[in-house]
Amino acid sequence: DAGVTQSPTHLIKTRGQQVTLRCSPKSGHDTVSWYQQALGQGPQFIFQYYEEEERQRGNFPDRFSGHQFPNYSSELNVNALLLGDSALYLCASSGAGGEQFFGPGTRLTVL
Amino acid sequence: GDSVTQMEGPVTLSEEAFLTINCTYTATGYPSLFWYVQYPGEGLQLLLKATKADDKGSNKGFEATYRKETTSFHLEKGSVQVSDSAVYFCALIVAGGTSYGKLTFGQGTILTVHP
Repeated sequence: DAGVTQSPTHLIKTRGQQVTLRCSPKSGHDTVSWYQQALGQGPQFIFQYYEEEERQRGNFPDRFSGHQFPNYSSELNVNALLLGDSALYLCASSGAGGEQFFGPGTRLTVL
Repeated sequence: GDSVTQMEGPVTLSEEAFLTINCTYTATGYPSLFWYVQYPGEGLQLLLKATKADDKGSNKGFEATYRKETTSFHLEKGSVQVSDSAVYFCALIVAGGTSYGKLTFGQGTILTVHP
């Protein structure tokens, strides 16, 4: 059983560009949450998707948007990248039990 | 709002030493509490959890007890190994209301164990 997968592993962008990160949830899970982990910090909640709708959102600007597809996979989009957006982006999936399983993350570097 | 505070690190121990990492929390509702571990270059793995007061979570020799009266969930291990070297995160989740599904993490504690 494959766990949570994320792509790409690493990404380098320049300021002002746009980026899309992808996440495939663990088999049987229908909920996807996204977190941003800056260097040396704990993960910060961005938003959560369930039934293709954004169910809850953290304190992130509208430049951060997402999508969930009918197969429960998800994308995180960030527009107008800033240097401060450099971080590890973690995806977590969960099912009826509620426990969140994390993927390995995507390391985004903004130059 | 909800918050988690962990003891400042990093923590450096010799193999077989006793480990304690302190964690305290504030929550708007009745939280479930977690410890996650992050090995270098990897994502987060759930280490243990407790869902109600006085519950003890345990896994791989690690233990933590949910103390509602002191709003704490300290992580302990009696004898650490070099392989325990990682970053440890305390976290909470409050089900229901506007916080459903949102994990709130502490800042993390780096543990290094020397042979």
